[in-house]
Amino acid sequence: GQQLNQSPQSMFIQEGEDVSMNCTSSSIFNTWLWYKQDPGEGPVLLIALYKAGELTSNGRLTAQFGITRKDSFLNISASIPSDVGIYFCAGRPLNYGGATNKLIFGTGTLLAVQP
Amino acid sequence: DTAVSQTPKYLVTQMGNDKSIKCEQNLGHDTMYWYKQDSKKFLKIMFSYNNKELIINETVPNRFSPKSPDKAHLNLHINSLELGDSAVYFCASSLTGGGYGYTFGSGTRLTVV
Repeated sequence: GQQLNQSPQSMFIQEGEDVSMNCTSSSIFNTWLWYKQDPGEGPVLLIALYKAGELTSNGRLTAQFGITRKDSFLNISASIPSDVGIYFCAGRPLNYGGATNKLIFGTGTLLAVQP
Repeated sequence: DTAVSQTPKYLVTQMGNDKSIKCEQNLGHDTMYWYKQDSKKFLKIMFSYNNKELIINETVPNRFSPKSPDKAHLNLHINSLELGDSAVYFCASSLTGGGYGYTFGSGTRLTVV
């Protein structure tokens, strides 16, 4: 099935550092979403993006919808220990419509923050 | 007041058994989903129902059978469990289209021994 390539696979950083991760697809997407998953929990929506070039922030998180519509980026500024978790991108392919929309998830980025 | 609730949280069972996982959402959403998360944390969609109608049925063994008695509930029944079925199963819900994102439950960790 269709997959989104997400990188890096994992990151180990010091508290206070900025973090960047990205997600790429071979096809065009019309929606990009970023989720965070804490251990033992389900993914929680962080940011949603709906048009090419859109830049949206949620506190220390900023995400962008790539202008080619085939990629998206997530930045976390001034990381703190509670940022630890797995970050997933997810996208809705352009060729899906109506009630059959499904989200394709990226392979995830494991973030570890050392105090 | 949990938005999407799954039961049980943990399920340990022997090969060959039949088991069910239940999911309920109180968000007023009309679409529900089952995702499987494997040991590498990859999330793969299995099924989706919209207003009780099956709309997505990915390549899943027919031992897996979803059932949606109403749009607030989506259950997953698994027959003749195999070792490879061990994974975390997530239920999620959304409004039609899903473009505003899904709300996930906290998962059911299934271990087949």
